[in-house]
Amino acid sequence: GENVEQHPSTLSVQEGDSAVIKCTYSDSASNYFPWYKQELGKGPQLIIDIRSNVGEKKDQRIAVTLNKTAKHFSLHITETQPEDSAVYFCAALSGGYQKVTFGTGTKLQVIP
Amino acid sequence: ETGVTQSPTHLIKTRGQQVTLRCSSQSGHNTVSWYQQALGQGPQFIFQYYREEENGRGNFPPRFSGLQFPNYSSELNVNALELDDSALYLCASSLEGTLNYGYTFGSGTRLTVV
Repeated sequence: GENVEQHPSTLSVQEGDSAVIKCTYSDSASNYFPWYKQELGKGPQLIIDIRSNVGEKKDQRIAVTLNKTAKHFSLHITETQPEDSAVYFCAALSGGYQKVTFGTGTKLQVIP
Repeated sequence: ETGVTQSPTHLIKTRGQQVTLRCSSQSGHNTVSWYQQALGQGPQFIFQYYREEENGRGNFPPRFSGLQFPNYSSELNVNALELDDSALYLCASSLEGTLNYGYTFGSGTRLTVV
């Protein structure tokens, strides 16, 4: 089955700096890669996603890149703000149904 | 448009007991997936329901079972609870058969087994 690895596990940045989280996946058939933000006491919330036919996608301060050949994808957050502090999960969709496999998470702390 | 609602929010059970968790899917969504999230870990796929049938299952024993109802709501049942079953149980709904793969998660049920 699919295996998604994510790093770093924790990341501290100064407010206004950029943050980058990287993930790799194992199943070459995976074709959809969402990123989720989870705040304390809440369920994961989809923040951006990318499909396998696209190399990069941007939404305001958030961007995601995908390298299908190397089987890795990354989340980039620019001009970080304290409210960006949360746990971020990468994920990959594989299989004939909508099974999403999650990474282990990155705890991002933005220091004011 | 309502989101995904789960009940109860918190639950304490004794080892060996049985538990039922409930989930109401987002309006317009017809597929429900259940995930187990241990503390400090990513969510692990338990199973998915579509058209009231199990549509895929992760690496969980048969004592984890589920149901989906005609209104697309769902239940997760766990029999013979073990201490390791203590976790946050997340329900996510989505719309099968479209290009919109985005899941909408509920806030989860925190299960503690003592």
